[in-house]
Amino acid sequence: QVQLQESGPGLVKPSGTLSLTCAVSGGSISSRNWWSWVRQSPGKGLEWIGEIYHSGTTNYNPSLRSRVTTSVDKSKNQFSLKLTSVTAADTALYYCAKVSETYSYFDFWGQGVLVTVSS
Amino acid sequence: QSALTQPRSVSGSPGQSVTISCTGTSDDVGGYNYVSWHQQLPGAAPKVMIYDVSERPSGVPDRFSGSKSGNTASLTISGLQAEDEADYYCCSYAGQYSRWVFGGGTKLTVL
Repeated sequence: QVQLQESGPGLVKPSGTLSLTCAVSGGSISSRNWWSWVRQSPGKGLEWIGEIYHSGTTNYNPSLRSRVTTSVDKSKNQFSLKLTSVTAADTALYYCAKVSETYSYFDFWGQGVLVTVSS
Repeated sequence: QSALTQPRSVSGSPGQSVTISCTGTSDDVGGYNYVSWHQQLPGAAPKVMIYDVSERPSGVPDRFSGSKSGNTASLTISGLQAEDEADYYCCSYAGQYSRWVFGGGTKLTVL
């Protein structure tokens, strides 16, 4: 069973860069899966941020594309998220998730990490 | 504003059935059979309950069922139990540009 664990700073200053990492256990990041980031703003619903394949191929939410970068570190079996020029609107619970092999749904989720954007 | 529309809340008594709708467009829900439903208990990560419109992962009770008609997908929970009280989110594949879209979530209260 795949397990995902997010990590990163819980506080980021406005205009700064949010950086998170998702460690994958119980499976290989080089398997035939896409790896995603999803966030949940306080009291709001879920928003897909982007995804990456182990080859480095990426897809991003059009509304965030200009500020998002994802990467994979095969040696550490983890993938990462960077979101630049953050504002208070980026304050959210950030989840990493695995996309199913059939590429039709998110089958495993991390516990999430709260990131607050504040000076 | 979420891409998919869900009722903000639904409620039911133990033993009853409830249905949660998820309305999108022909670009997402109506265009693909890749609708999933995720349960989020308070303080917990989402957990998939239904995928590919009507498939249940192993371990999910058969009280949970899914369906789709046109641009609207539905999650039905029969024989409601107190442990079903949670937020439920629908998710759909939305094509190569938008990829994945979610509903705003529905809070299920078991009376």
